[in-house]
Amino acid sequence: DSGVTQTPKHLITATGQRVTLRCSPRSGDLSVYWYQQSLDQGLQFLIQYYNGEERAKGNILERFSAQQFPDLHSELNLSSLELGDSALYFCASSVSWTKNIQYFGAGTRLSVL
Amino acid sequence: AQSVTQLGSHVSVSEGALVLLRCNYSSSVPPYLFWYVQYPNQGLQLLLKYTTGATLVKGINGFEAEFKKSETSFHLTKPSAHMSDAAEYFCAVSGNYGGSQGNLIFGKGTKLSVKP
Repeated sequence: DSGVTQTPKHLITATGQRVTLRCSPRSGDLSVYWYQQSLDQGLQFLIQYYNGEERAKGNILERFSAQQFPDLHSELNLSSLELGDSALYFCASSVSWTKNIQYFGAGTRLSVL
Repeated sequence: AQSVTQLGSHVSVSEGALVLLRCNYSSSVPPYLFWYVQYPNQGLQLLLKYTTGATLVKGINGFEAEFKKSETSFHLTKPSAHMSDAAEYFCAVSGNYGGSQGNLIFGKGTKLSVKP
């Protein structure tokens, strides 16, 4: 158990809908990262937060947004969902971005029908 | 810019045989390098990391990797494969200072099969 908790484990929804994925980092970790894993794109970095502030952005679509709350949990919001958004979404956390040892949650599997 | 290339999307070995999973990286800054393992329906687990110092890095479950700057490689090895090693393995890179630190750039992954 990595100590990173992601909910829900599975999410099935329809095109055009909006969903929220939740992540609780390990105790003491201030940095949260979101990654998308799909068959065609592999593992891609989406966005990083550190102590409530956005720190880095990767290949995140404009339809996607995230935030980190004062209690350090994070949410990834996906809207206007398309079939191609079906993927495994991982959250990872680390103490900070230096040395960058990231611990991953078990992921949320999103299926868009 | 950084990138990772893992040679071989699928590697098959016999139980007890040497495991060698190849990873080459490209980085414009000195890198931090990582190997992660993903078992079916699970998240990624850190196997080992290279940050600074000794270039031969030992990880969990008997795995090790050697950072070779001249070859821009960070290959993962294990002397004797076990059935429980069957999983997908990902090599990743990040920068090691300033704005280059943070997010990981992953390779496409190598699926390891272990035959009895």
